[in-house]
Amino acid sequence: EAGVAQSPRYKIIEKRQSVAFWCNPISGHATLYWYQQILGQGPKLLIQFQNNGVVDDSQLPKDRFSAERLKGVDSTLKIQPAKLEDSAVYLCASSLGLGLGTEAFFGQGTRLTVV
Amino acid sequence: GNSVTQMEGPVTLSEEAFLTINCTYTATGYPSLFWYVQYPGEGLQLLLKATKADDKGSNKGFEATYRKETTSFHLEKGSVQVSDSAVYFCALSDLNTGNQFYFGTGTSLTVIP
Repeated sequence: EAGVAQSPRYKIIEKRQSVAFWCNPISGHATLYWYQQILGQGPKLLIQFQNNGVVDDSQLPKDRFSAERLKGVDSTLKIQPAKLEDSAVYLCASSLGLGLGTEAFFGQGTRLTVV
Repeated sequence: GNSVTQMEGPVTLSEEAFLTINCTYTATGYPSLFWYVQYPGEGLQLLLKATKADDKGSNKGFEATYRKETTSFHLEKGSVQVSDSAVYFCALSDLNTGNQFYFGTGTSLTVIP
């Protein structure tokens, strides 16, 4: 079974530039998450989708971050304009649904460096 | 709200030593508890989980017991190997908050021969 695919793996941009990350979840997984992991910290949820609807985006900095999940499959996370503090690993995860104890499967992440 | 607190690292052990990584949680509902592991250069992967009080999750020689009375889910292994060197994350998910995952800060483990 293919895992969660993310691209690119690495990205270096200058502040005020824009960047986009792509995620392809495991086939059949209804729930998709984007997490931000700053060095030395645990992952923090940015946005959670159930199919193509948003479950929670309360911690997404909406003045600069946006995300979409068209057709309830692939997802794109965009930052525009980027700030130095956005340097982090961006993790995409998916799960079958919202059942008790449902495991989330993670991609390898995109490491973003803003200079 | 929901949160996870885990033991600060880094932890360095000799091969065959006993490992404990402490994890405590705060939850508004009745959460499921997880340990995820991140090996060097790889993504997060599930190590073990437990969904109700007194359940014990186990995998690859690692164990953790869901203790509701102490709100804890400590990770243990009787004899660590060099291949166990990784970062370990304690996490919870809560149906009351849409099953999003709340993670601790991670504990880096290095096992030396």
